[in-house]
Amino acid sequence: DIQLTQSPSFLSASVGDRVTITCRASQGIRSYLAWYQQKPGKAPKLLIYAASTLQSGVPSRFSGSGSGTEFTLTISSLQPEDFATYYCQQLISYPQTFGQGTKVDIK
Amino acid sequence: VQLVESGGGVVQPGGSLRLSCAASGFTLSPYSMHWVRQAPGKGLEWVAVISSDGGTKYYADSVKGRFTISRDNSKNTLSLQMNSLRAKDTAVYYCAGGPRELAPNYYGLDVWGQGTTVTVSS
Repeated sequence: DIQLTQSPSFLSASVGDRVTITCRASQGIRSYLAWYQQKPGKAPKLLIYAASTLQSGVPSRFSGSGSGTEFTLTISSLQPEDFATYYCQQLISYPQTFGQGTKVDIK
Repeated sequence: VQLVESGGGVVQPGGSLRLSCAASGFTLSPYSMHWVRQAPGKGLEWVAVISSDGGTKYYADSVKGRFTISRDNSKNTLSLQMNSLRAKDTAVYYCAGGPRELAPNYYGLDVWGQGTTVTVSS
């Protein structure tokens, strides 16, 4: 199975900060990666697919990059509604594993 | 456009439970359908997928041989039959819709239900 490791696991930031989350795959997955946002008590929400394509309706302050084994999710200017947990997921093979998550909270 | 799960509850170890997921406002048939779970305070765990026509299924090793995913496109529903339940199966179970193409695919899971809670405890 392909393992995904996110870093950091926890991140404290302020409104307006630029935030970057990294997802590393245990083997190459080309661009078969998605990013999700999850708020407490809610279902995950798809933010980015194909490593860098913004899902319809997602604000442009979110961006994704990378291919192969290293990927990043960037929030260019953190907004109050962005405090949440973020997950990456590999889409190349089953099981379609998720990273362990990165919780972004308020500094 | 929404997915609504049902069937969660409290069950003893070794018991069985059947989860359902109903679609409203759209048709499930073009989508691959997935179950994803989240244990209390933990991250997301992918559980199973079924192809749009129901002919192909994949499972996580942790549930293989115990869980069965199925769908009825005529009723616009997805199911997860869970047998031989263990305490480690305690989680919120989400159904989610993915692209028609099975892996590899680029598109992710773009429609999610609100989740149903399964608790395995004596």
